Amino acid sequence: SAVISQKPSRDICQRGTSLTIQCQVDSQVTMMFWYRQQPGQSLTLIATANQGSEATYESGFVIDKFPISRPNLTFSTLTVSNMSPEDSSIYLCSVVGAGLGEQYFGPGTRLTVT
Amino acid sequence: DQQVKQNSPSLSVQEGRISILNCDYTNSMFDYFLWYKKYPAEGPTFLISISSIKDKNEDGRFTVFLNKSAKHLSLHIVPSQPGDSAVYFCAASRPTSGTYKYIFGTGTRLKVLA
Repeated sequence: SAVISQKPSRDICQRGTSLTIQCQVDSQVTMMFWYRQQPGQSLTLIATANQGSEATYESGFVIDKFPISRPNLTFSTLTVSNMSPEDSSIYLCSVVGAGLGEQYFGPGTRLTVT
Repeated sequence: DQQVKQNSPSLSVQEGRISILNCDYTNSMFDYFLWYKKYPAEGPTFLISISSIKDKNEDGRFTVFLNKSAKHLSLHIVPSQPGDSAVYFCAASRPTSGTYKYIFGTGTRLKVLA
């Protein structure tokens, strides 16, 4: 399984500002995913980030709000732009393992927007 | 439209007894199912998976059962231990179609009482 780290682990931000979350993997992976877990909710996929191509966003998520970078096979960033209190969530990155499709998750970034 | 459902938000079980967590899905195209365990302030940890060509998969104390006709899967933990207390998410995907996107259930909080 891959070892995944995320920075920051948590942050408290003001409405209208932006936060960039970093995801670092200890091995090269093709597919990376960004999820959101709002309070009391399930994990919801925001986008799939493949190196060398534009991220693919799920319904309800747009690039202007959640721009993603994937400069190489071990690193990705997710930016939460123009934040509102509704963006308060845990944001997680994940990668696909070598098996049939298991994903391994980072520890998450807990974001609170005031 | 909640394609993966976990109808029990919480479950309490005595240590040493069996824990049974349930999950229902609506999309018959799903062909791979997974269970994740999540502790507070950590990312989800992969627990066990099952392909749609099987109806049972066992790994130590954890067994997953799949009933395709009922679109239902369950996770059995025997014997339950206090360290198993966590939130459990089921997830479904379609890796054979080339997509590794997960659809997660809303989670069941398991509490194992010593």
